[in-house]
Amino acid sequence: DSGVTQTPKHLITATGQRVTLRCSPRSGDLSVYWYQQSLDQGLQFLIHYYNGEERAKGNILERFSAQQFPDLHSELNLSSLELGDSALYFCASSPSPGQNQPQHFGDGTRLSIL
Amino acid sequence: AQTVTQSQPEMSVQEAETVTLSCTYDTSENNYYLFWYKQPPSRQMILVIRQEAYKQQNATENRFSVNFQKAAKSFSLKISDSQLGDTAMYFCAFRSNTGNQFYFGTGTSLTVIP
Repeated sequence: DSGVTQTPKHLITATGQRVTLRCSPRSGDLSVYWYQQSLDQGLQFLIHYYNGEERAKGNILERFSAQQFPDLHSELNLSSLELGDSALYFCASSPSPGQNQPQHFGDGTRLSIL
Repeated sequence: AQTVTQSQPEMSVQEAETVTLSCTYDTSENNYYLFWYKQPPSRQMILVIRQEAYKQQNATENRFSVNFQKAAKSFSLKISDSQLGDTAMYFCAFRSNTGNQFYFGTGTSLTVIP
C-alpha cells in the first residue's frame, strides 16, 4: 500500500461528459503529480502541484484542469470527453520537490469513454 | 528538456537467470535522481530502486542493482535470479534537482519464462 488513494477506481462515461478524479496524497506529502497512461503506452506527465500551487505543466489538454486544496488532496477535472481520453490516470505524491524522494503512486483511475 | 530513452520495448529471460534493462537519458544538469519503477499486470506502479547522481556507488536492492554511468548518461537495471513475479513493464525515470517534473521512458516489457 503506497498510501496514495485515488477514487474512483473505475469510471465509465460517454463522450461530451465531464468527470472529476480525486487523489489523496500520502500523509505528509505536499507534492501531487498527475499522469495519463493510455493503452500500452508510457506515462504522460500532466501537471504537478506543490502545497496548493501549480509547479509544472506537461502535456495537459485545455479541456483538463486540476487543483490542489488546502487539505492537500487534489482533483483532476476532465471535460468534453472524447474517446481518446480513455486511459489509466495516475496520481503520485512526494514530500517535497527539493528532496531526494521518489514518487509514490496510487492505484490509478481507469476511465472508459463509450 | 530532459528525455529518457528505453530502447528495448520487450525482453524475456529464463527463470533464475539474469537480465539487464537499458536506459539512457539526456540532461544538462549535474545533480538529479534516477529511478526504476515496475508495473505488473495489475497496473500498479511500484518503486524498484533509485540512484542519486552525486553518488558514485551503484544502488542495490536485493536482487535488483543498477549500473550508473554518469558520463555516458546511462542507467541500466540488472535483475538477478529472475522470478516469475518479475514479469512486468519496467519504466526508467529521471527527476531534476528541482523535482517539479519526473520524466519517464516508454518502458520495457519483461517476461520471465518458467
